[in-house]
Amino acid sequence: NAGVTQTPKFQVLKTGQSMTLQCAQDMNHEYMSWYRQDPGMGLRLIHYSVGAGITDQGEVPNGYNVSRSTTEDFPLRLLSAAPSQTSVYFCASSYYLPRGGYYGYTFGSGTRLTVV
Amino acid sequence: DAKTTQPNSMESNEEEPVHLPCNHSTISGTDYIHWYRQLPSQGPEYVIHGLTSNVNNRMASLAIAEDRKSSTLILHRATLRDAAVYYCIPWRQGGSEKLVFGKGMKLTVNP
Repeated sequence: NAGVTQTPKFQVLKTGQSMTLQCAQDMNHEYMSWYRQDPGMGLRLIHYSVGAGITDQGEVPNGYNVSRSTTEDFPLRLLSAAPSQTSVYFCASSYYLPRGGYYGYTFGSGTRLTVV
Repeated sequence: DAKTTQPNSMESNEEEPVHLPCNHSTISGTDYIHWYRQLPSQGPEYVIHGLTSNVNNRMASLAIAEDRKSSTLILHRATLRDAAVYYCIPWRQGGSEKLVFGKGMKLTVNP
């Protein structure tokens, strides 16, 4: 049981390049989300998904796309990288409790992205 | 979304209890109170959550005020590994299901 796996752990991009940050979970969790964390700041929600085929925007969605074709995977795509997207990116997942609500979220170890 | 207020930082001594406060005066009746922590260079880690009554688990206890306008995370015996940024987060069931982080509170544990 690997939990939430994020790849790559580190990445350097040039301005204008595109890439996909991968996130996979093996816990059959319905809920998945992406956050970014800038130095000295709290986490900000980018996009989230409450199940396969369903995604929605968070606080800072501009410049990012997501899709959720399977329960396990929730990739985050940067279409045209900008220096302002230099950050640490965290993926999280959770499951729906029988009597309502979600249990505590499990976070991945993060992807440190630098855009030059 | 409900707003929270936490001290910027706190210090404690190893093996002593620590009480981490959080004010959430605008919380609604259906908002759960979640606590997460983030150790240096790691992703956040779930600690505990509750709705109305006090909650305990192997990591901590959560004491929720009767009017639900505040809560306190209790670490019964602080260890060096408890040094982290702690986040108090209201979460609304049946809303957008989003977990919105604030700036959190940095806990320093002195040996």
